[in-house]
Amino acid sequence: NAGVTQTPKFQVLKTGQSMTLQCAQDMNHEYMSWYRQDPGMGLRLIHYSVGAGITDQGEVPNGYNVSRSTTEDFPLRLLSAAPSQTSVYFCASSSTSGSSRQFFGPGTRLTVL
Amino acid sequence: GNSVTQMEGPVTLSEEAFLTINCTYTATGYPSLFWYVQYPGEGLQLLLKATKADDKGSNKGFEATYRKETTSFHLEKGSVQVSDSAVYFCALSSGGTSYGKLTFGQGTILTVHP
Repeated sequence: NAGVTQTPKFQVLKTGQSMTLQCAQDMNHEYMSWYRQDPGMGLRLIHYSVGAGITDQGEVPNGYNVSRSTTEDFPLRLLSAAPSQTSVYFCASSSTSGSSRQFFGPGTRLTVL
Repeated sequence: GNSVTQMEGPVTLSEEAFLTINCTYTATGYPSLFWYVQYPGEGLQLLLKATKADDKGSNKGFEATYRKETTSFHLEKGSVQVSDSAVYFCALSSGGTSYGKLTFGQGTILTVHP
């Protein structure tokens, strides 16, 4: 059981470039989400999904797109990177029944120059 | 909207000292409350949780009690160890749903010296 995996671990982009942060989980969790972590601000929710084909915006969705074509995968796309998107990104998943525990991936550290 | 406020950090303690990290919240309804811990270079892990008023969550010697009257969920440990050095996040999930969106506090850095 790998849990929640994220790739890449580190990425440097130039302003205006696009990229996709990958997230996958092997626990058959219905719920997946993306957070960004910035110093002194805790984690803020970007987008989330309650199942394949269903996504919704969180607190800070601007500049990011998501899709959920399978239960396992929940990629986060930056269409035109900006320096304000420099951050550490965490993917998380949880079951929608029983446990209220969310499982987090190891994170992706993104720098936009 | 929902919000979580944690005590300012960083916190530096000697081994075996008593730890308190304050957390207060604002939320509608009956939220579930959580403490997550982030060790250096890793993602967040659930430390403990409480889903209703007066519940006490506990794990690895850490405890926190859900106080609805003071809207608080303070984290305590009687005797910290060097291995407890990490960043601690208080969080809530509104409406008491088991998978609801998490609102986090800003995090408190704890450093424990031998």
